[in-house]
Amino acid sequence: QIQLVQSGPELKKPGESVKISCKASGYTFTDYAMHWVKQAPGKGLKWMGWINTYTGKPTYADDFKGRFVFSLEASASTANLQISNLKNEDTATYFCARGGLWWGQGVMVTVSS
Amino acid sequence: DIQMTQSPPSLSASLGDKVTITCQASQNINKYIAWYQQKPGKAPGLLIHYTSTLVSGIPSRFSGSGSGRDYSFSISNVESEDIASYYCLQYDNSTWTFGGGTKLELK
Repeated sequence: QIQLVQSGPELKKPGESVKISCKASGYTFTDYAMHWVKQAPGKGLKWMGWINTYTGKPTYADDFKGRFVFSLEASASTANLQISNLKNEDTATYFCARGGLWWGQGVMVTVSS
Repeated sequence: DIQMTQSPPSLSASLGDKVTITCQASQNINKYIAWYQQKPGKAPGLLIHYTSTLVSGIPSRFSGSGSGRDYSFSISNVESEDIASYYCLQYDNSTWTFGGGTKLELK
């Protein structure tokens, strides 16, 4: 069956970088776009953008241009999200999602000095 | 960018009540709206897509309607398992925008 399995929780200091992964299984990875969604503690869902898994082209929502990078390891059916120069406000759970139906379990990233 | 205004932010209901949540888009979204349920510590779960199409396995007490800029989502006969947060999502023209969310609580 279709699954998106994300990497484990991360604890980082301000200014550091983090890379989280989303491994897909149960379908042809390059047939469907992968979206990324942020949820800060106690807050709502915020769309970060998506990556074309066939071409590798990323599209970022306005608030996520600059420090955020979507990438692929297509041979491993894996999408990645890298955040550089981490700030306290990056503390959140990050979800990957294939279309609207299939979501990863989420990765909690905590940024604290 | 398309904005989604969701209301109310919170809702208090008794078991068996009917509740309705609305989302208004900043422009016509051509019925490309979905509704999600999220419980604490879990990923959102898709309930309805394309305004009113129920996802397989979702109870028929959940429903959606609307067109143009204005959409609504209803739960008839609220059950205890429905206590959660609900979000609308517009997915027109390959971008997504979530509504601010509605927290449904028991009265």
